[in-house]
Amino acid sequence: AQKVTQAQTEISVVEKEDVTLDCVYETRDTTYYLFWYKQPPSGELVFLIRRNSFDEQNEISGRYSWNFQKSTSSFNFTITASQVVDSAVYFCALSWNSGNTPLVFGKGTRLSVIA
Amino acid sequence: GAGVSQSPSNKVTEKGKDVELRCDPISGHTALYWYRQSLGQGLEFLIYFQGNSAPDKSGLPSDRFSAERTGGSVSTLTIQRTQQEDSAVYLCASSGGGGRSPLHFGNGTRLTVT
Repeated sequence: AQKVTQAQTEISVVEKEDVTLDCVYETRDTTYYLFWYKQPPSGELVFLIRRNSFDEQNEISGRYSWNFQKSTSSFNFTITASQVVDSAVYFCALSWNSGNTPLVFGKGTRLSVIA
Repeated sequence: GAGVSQSPSNKVTEKGKDVELRCDPISGHTALYWYRQSLGQGLEFLIYFQGNSAPDKSGLPSDRFSAERTGGSVSTLTIQRTQQEDSAVYLCASSGGGGRSPLHFGNGTRLTVT
């Protein structure tokens, strides 16, 4: 069965600290897609990144970086020098069968960045 | 361009009544999804439309829930004989390439069943 686990329910950090949000996925497919979404207090889900299963290259976008490791079925998300505006719920998601399935989401990690 | 539009933004209904929730996807997007998010919970998949294929209804929680997508565009999610446990935010999303492409979400409809 396909599954996404975000073991961290809530994380609280002080501004400027680095923080890593964990995501572990389960699928037997060889072609799948992984995503991260941000849901700020306003409620709208915002797409952050997509990664396909054949591309294990890590990616950095400003203060955000993602570490995809197939060996551990993990797709972790790190925010460097966190800011109050980073406070949100972050969701990891998986689509398998070459992307011909709806996305399955983890339960989310609520990040609070304190000034 | 316009994003995914959902209406109404809020809906309060009495237990036992039927409700219809509407979603206007991004123009040209072939895939449309409905998810449900209960208070403080993750996103629960409900139904998925992809082009002219039969919809994936595997996430619908009961036969009180149904959805249509007319003309490959607008979708309506109908809940019959609403129950209090149906209270949640119902989110619609669309994408240009099914699960390979990022989903673009609407702001949701907050349904409260009293």
